[in-house]
Amino acid sequence: AQSVTQLGSHVSVSEGALVLLRCNYSSSVPPYLFWYVQYPNQGLQLLLKYTSAATLVKGINGFEAEFKKSETSFHLTKPSAHMSDAAEYFCAVREGNRDDKIIFGKGTRLHILP
Amino acid sequence: DTGVSQNPRHKITKRGQNVTFRCDPISEHNRLYWYRQTLGQGPEFLTYFQNEAQLEKSRLLSDRFSAERPKGSFSTLEIQRTEQGDSAMYLCASSRAGTAYNEQFFGPGTRLTVL
Repeated sequence: AQSVTQLGSHVSVSEGALVLLRCNYSSSVPPYLFWYVQYPNQGLQLLLKYTSAATLVKGINGFEAEFKKSETSFHLTKPSAHMSDAAEYFCAVREGNRDDKIIFGKGTRLHILP
Repeated sequence: DTGVSQNPRHKITKRGQNVTFRCDPISEHNRLYWYRQTLGQGPEFLTYFQNEAQLEKSRLLSDRFSAERPKGSFSTLEIQRTEQGDSAMYLCASSRAGTAYNEQFFGPGTRLTVL
């Protein structure tokens, strides 16, 4: 069975500092992995996705994530945090080889300190 | 592309009442999903449709929950005899079948509060 574990339900960083949100996955098949962001009172928006091509994936708003098979990780990073990055971030994995279902982690709320 | 819309955005009801939520997906998307999200949790899959066919239902979806997508366009999610434990955000998402990575586009959600 596939699953993702997000380490840290809350992360605080100072404005301008590096953002690092951690996600580890478990999958019996080559995974497809996703990061979604949810701003207050809004639905989820896809930030980036890994689908077995390049291991370093660039997304919107300056975010990127690196797929590391040896560590079963897909951590999300951004070099310099901005106040507007404050939101909840969800890591997700495709269920098996299905193209119709993904499984979400519990989320990490990112706080940006002025 | 007008995005996925959900109505109402907020619903407050008394325990035991029935509620119905509506989701309008992106027009060319043939897949439609319902999720439930509670505080501190990620979205939990409830059910999904491809066109008008309901292809899968989670065990989370008790007999009090029913979803329809009668013409393969909008969908409704009804909860009968609501309980306080049903209080949550109900999210709808849509996607197009045939894409390898199944990008789902989410609506803003309907927040249900059961008193």
